[in-house]
Amino acid sequence: KAGVTQTPRYLIKTRGQQVTLSCSPISGHRSVSWYQQTPGQGLQFLFEYFSETQRNKGNFPGRFSGRQFSNSRSEMNVSTLELGDSALYLCASSLTGGGNGYTFGSGTRLTVV
Amino acid sequence: GIQVEQSPPDLILQEGANSTLRCNFSDSVNNLQWFHQNPWGQLINLFYIPSGTKQNGRLSATTVATERYSLLYISSSQTTDSGVYFCAVGSRAGSYQLTFGKGTKLSVIP
Repeated sequence: KAGVTQTPRYLIKTRGQQVTLSCSPISGHRSVSWYQQTPGQGLQFLFEYFSETQRNKGNFPGRFSGRQFSNSRSEMNVSTLELGDSALYLCASSLTGGGNGYTFGSGTRLTVV
Repeated sequence: GIQVEQSPPDLILQEGANSTLRCNFSDSVNNLQWFHQNPWGQLINLFYIPSGTKQNGRLSATTVATERYSLLYISSSQTTDSGVYFCAVGSRAGSYQLTFGKGTKLSVIP
């Protein structure tokens, strides 16, 4: 079966712009989570969606937002980009979230210049 | 929130050697996973193991939930095992997130 698909793989944006990243989960998985990975902070939780509802949000500013569609695909948006937003953004899907195993996508590498 | 500590932070092995990676966590968990991050950044799921022992080829993992630690064993290491190994935990029902350790960077040299 197809894995978790993230698009695009690479992205270069200018400070102040906004960006939208996409994640298609494994078929049948209803939970989608987003993580940010940087060399300094490691892997940090952004938010989790289940059946189009955000159930949990990490400690990130309001410039980071997301949504989930009825087919479980998810998007995350970052507005007013800052240099510090340069990171690898990883999406994970699971059947129901919480106590289930997570499968990660290949990530989107965002560079802000 | 829950704290996750991995040790050692760096490990260099000769090909064919065995190794043990450790993950300590500060609270009870309902989810514990080991991942290998490849050079392209993808997190490959190795084990979902909130308790007990599992084996998959040269890899095995043990989680002792009551003592709040997990171990990942790599036997007969190969150069392709190089990369960063992460332990990630989910605590209490309803939190819907994983907390990651800082990882163990493994380098296997021929």
